Amino acid sequence: SQQGEEDPQALSIQEGENATMNCSYKTSINNLQWYRQNSGRGLVHLILIRSNEREKHSGRLRVTLDTSKKSSSLLITASRAADTASYFCATAKPGAGGTSYGKLTFGQGTILTVHP
Amino acid sequence: GAGVSQSPRYKVAKRGQDVALRCDPISGHVSLFWYQQALGQGPEFLTYFQNEAQLDKSGLPSDRFFAERPEGSVSTLKIQRTQQEDSAVYLCASSSRGWGAGAQTQYFGPGTRLLVL
Repeated sequence: SQQGEEDPQALSIQEGENATMNCSYKTSINNLQWYRQNSGRGLVHLILIRSNEREKHSGRLRVTLDTSKKSSSLLITASRAADTASYFCATAKPGAGGTSYGKLTFGQGTILTVHP
Repeated sequence: GAGVSQSPRYKVAKRGQDVALRCDPISGHVSLFWYQQALGQGPEFLTYFQNEAQLDKSGLPSDRFFAERPEGSVSTLKIQRTQQEDSAVYLCASSSRGWGAGAQTQYFGPGTRLLVL
């Protein structure tokens, strides 16, 4: 079963614009991760944010996490045609003593299309 | 270094056939995961190995699915008597950290696309 829901399901923008994708989840987590999947390729890890973090940056990516609302957002700034892909959020449950089970529960993904 | 590799990349099977899917994780990675991804969906967890021990197989959909990692490196996912609903992409991922070790990044292979006719 899917843990999270991504919103929107599909997003179409012009090159240079920003893209924002949202993810909601249902149970408590240790961390939340975002992955990208290009057509015909495997999943590529983008960024990991722990449950005690609120915001994280990596290059043109900015991720926020609101554990009170059980939601996260991924912002891609100055998008490029090469950013065209499906984006998935995935959550890892907390284990005992602040650890994390590695098993990831994925959302259904947002399909991002960036037009040149 | 080399990433996670999977073979075959594509597999067509007739209903009722047995199939075996192989995963070569990143060398030295302790953890190995199998996921199933149906068309248009996110991946769903199947099973997990820490070294050669299968610690979680809660996601395997039926007893037709069997996975092994006998020497703690290469893993094989076997599906017996394939059904049409088994058609999906099967993804393998590995991680350098063990179960419960803390937040970990998983590195995914390209997947095996299985089509059951």
